[in-house]
Amino acid sequence: GDSVTQMEGPVTLSEEAFLTINCTYTATGYPSLFWYVQYPGEGLQLLLKATKADDKGSNKGFEATYRKETTSFHLEKGSVQVSDSAVYFCALGGGYSSASKIIFGSGTRLSIRP
Amino acid sequence: GAVVSQHPSRVICKSGTSVKIECRSLDFQATTMFWYRQFPKQSLMLMATSNEGSKATYEQGVEKDKFLINHASLTLSTLTVTSAHPEDSSFYICSAQFPSGANVLTFGAGSRLTVL
Repeated sequence: GDSVTQMEGPVTLSEEAFLTINCTYTATGYPSLFWYVQYPGEGLQLLLKATKADDKGSNKGFEATYRKETTSFHLEKGSVQVSDSAVYFCALGGGYSSASKIIFGSGTRLSIRP
Repeated sequence: GAVVSQHPSRVICKSGTSVKIECRSLDFQATTMFWYRQFPKQSLMLMATSNEGSKATYEQGVEKDKFLINHASLTLSTLTVTSAHPEDSSFYICSAQFPSGANVLTFGAGSRLTVL
């Protein structure tokens, strides 16, 4: 079945460092790909998404490119801030059914040191 | 923007009692809502898909009689944990399908259940 694998955390970086969180997926068909973020004590928020191959999703300085050839959707940010400390979830969903369920990766906890 | 409200945010109950958690879409109608369970430091596990006006679809391994889901209107779905036990203690999160956003889910802030 469909699945998402993302790099294990926790990841600890200094402020202004470059961030990469790896995510690969296994899916039939042509799924949409997502990154969700969960700040401490809050629910999940959609960070960015990509709906087809070679699409780049971006938001708040974060970027991820849908790579069909490597089945990857790695999250990157050029300069992280303390406020980026959160848990990040890679996820996939059906691209052709509006009611398809979303499958999440295990989450990566990111901590940024001042 | 789309907002999903979940209530209560925290609940503590005694073993053997039942607890109801509400999930409301505040400014849009949601024919489909999803209920997830999140264990500490782990990912979200989909429990069931809640469809307005029909029975919920449960994922394999989730007890239907234990976790009762009702989706009586286009803006409200409820999850009732019946005869709760300490192992049911967890973070429960609902989400709703925003009508115009293909596969984009809006999540509630979650409900932390602690069973003593």
